Amino acid sequence: NAGVTQTPKFQVLKTGQSMTLQCAQDMNHEYMSWYRQDPGMGLRLIHYSVGAGITDQGEVPNGYNVSRSTTEDFPLRLLSAAPSQTSVYFCASSLFNGNQPQHFGDGTRLSIL
Amino acid sequence: AQSVTQLDSHVSVSEGTPVLLRCNYSSSYSPSLFWYVQHPNKGLQLLLKYTSAATLVKGINGFEAEFKKSETSFHLTKPSAHMSDAAEYFCVVSDPTGGGNKLTFGTGTQLKVEL
Repeated sequence: NAGVTQTPKFQVLKTGQSMTLQCAQDMNHEYMSWYRQDPGMGLRLIHYSVGAGITDQGEVPNGYNVSRSTTEDFPLRLLSAAPSQTSVYFCASSLFNGNQPQHFGDGTRLSIL
Repeated sequence: AQSVTQLDSHVSVSEGTPVLLRCNYSSSYSPSLFWYVQHPNKGLQLLLKYTSAATLVKGINGFEAEFKKSETSFHLTKPSAHMSDAAEYFCVVSDPTGGGNKLTFGTGTQLKVEL
């Protein structure tokens, strides 16, 4: 039982480069989300999706795009990386029914030089 | 709007002594509250959740938390700390509006357990 799988685990980019962080879950969860974790700030919601074809912005969406073409996958795209996007990124999924606990991946550690 | 305040950024205890991690929340709704734990270089794992049932909630690994509406608190406790409890702990409130499970995280409490 894989749960939530994030790839890659580590990545170093140069300013201005683009990349996609992958997230896949095998629990048939409707709700998926992306967070970034920065020291002393907890986790902040970037984007979320309540089902295939439906996405919405969270607290800190600027500089990031998402899409949800299947229930299983929810990739996060950085269009033009900036040093301020250096962070640890977590993908999470849960059943859509409110107040369900979320299942987190192990994170992607991203450095932008 | 909702928010969570974790009152201590670092807590240090000796092995075998009680643990208290403090959390206060603010919510316009009847909140759902969670505690998650994060071990180094790992994702977050659910410890326990409160969803308007019993106010004393028991979780995994001997942790429990008590919901106190009058104090807007949801403190996490454990009677006896173990070395394996050393990790970062997050208090989280869930936003039931707009569909889905949008979470607001506290800034975390780093728990250190010493011999």
